[in-house]
Amino acid sequence: QTVVTQEPSFSVSPGGTVTLTCGLTSASVSTDNYASWYQQTPGQAPRTLIYTTNSRSSGVPDRFSGSILGNKAALTITGAQADDESDYYCALYMGSGVWVFGGGTKLTVL
Amino acid sequence: QVQLQESGPGLVKPSETLSLTCTVSGGSISGYYWSWIRQSPGEGLEWIGYLSNTGSTFYNPSLKSRVTISVDTSRNHFSLRLNSVTAADTAVYYCGRSNGYGDYDYWGQGTLVTVSS
Repeated sequence: QTVVTQEPSFSVSPGGTVTLTCGLTSASVSTDNYASWYQQTPGQAPRTLIYTTNSRSSGVPDRFSGSILGNKAALTITGAQADDESDYYCALYMGSGVWVFGGGTKLTVL
Repeated sequence: QVQLQESGPGLVKPSETLSLTCTVSGGSISGYYWSWIRQSPGEGLEWIGYLSNTGSTFYNPSLKSRVTISVDTSRNHFSLRLNSVTAADTAVYYCGRSNGYGDYDYWGQGTLVTVSS
């Protein structure tokens, strides 16, 4: 069974840069996985940040960027702000119309 | 402005069928991908499935035997049915509109469904 892996938690200082990753237990992530990244605060629906690896969704500031780093997808946040403190989820396309979410990363800004 | 609104029972008995509807207002249901995603209390997101812009449906393999997503274009809504539910199906269920490549531009606010006798 394919498992999408994310760091359970991460912390970043205000103004700092952080890179969250999204991997596969049994393969390397490629652009064919159309990696997507979502931000979610408690009690709210998710918000799309990045799709197809590095495309920013409408209205998302350019502090958020996506890439492939090594064998994983990555979300980089530069100039971290207090309201970036959220849960971040990646999703990967596995082919045949199937998507899988990672377990999420809880980002703390302190 | 497009809005999505989930509706359906908030309490379902074990072994019964969970049925939810997502009503789309402010825009047509044609030409997009329409998804259901859920989140168990305190847990992460789980993709349930979607209805593509061509009318095809795709489901999470772990739920495929129990789930059906359908559309009623005359009412501009799409629906989720999940059979034989257990407590593990207790979750907030979200509907969302995407471009098919992971870019969800509109979401419902989510509806909590509890499976309990």
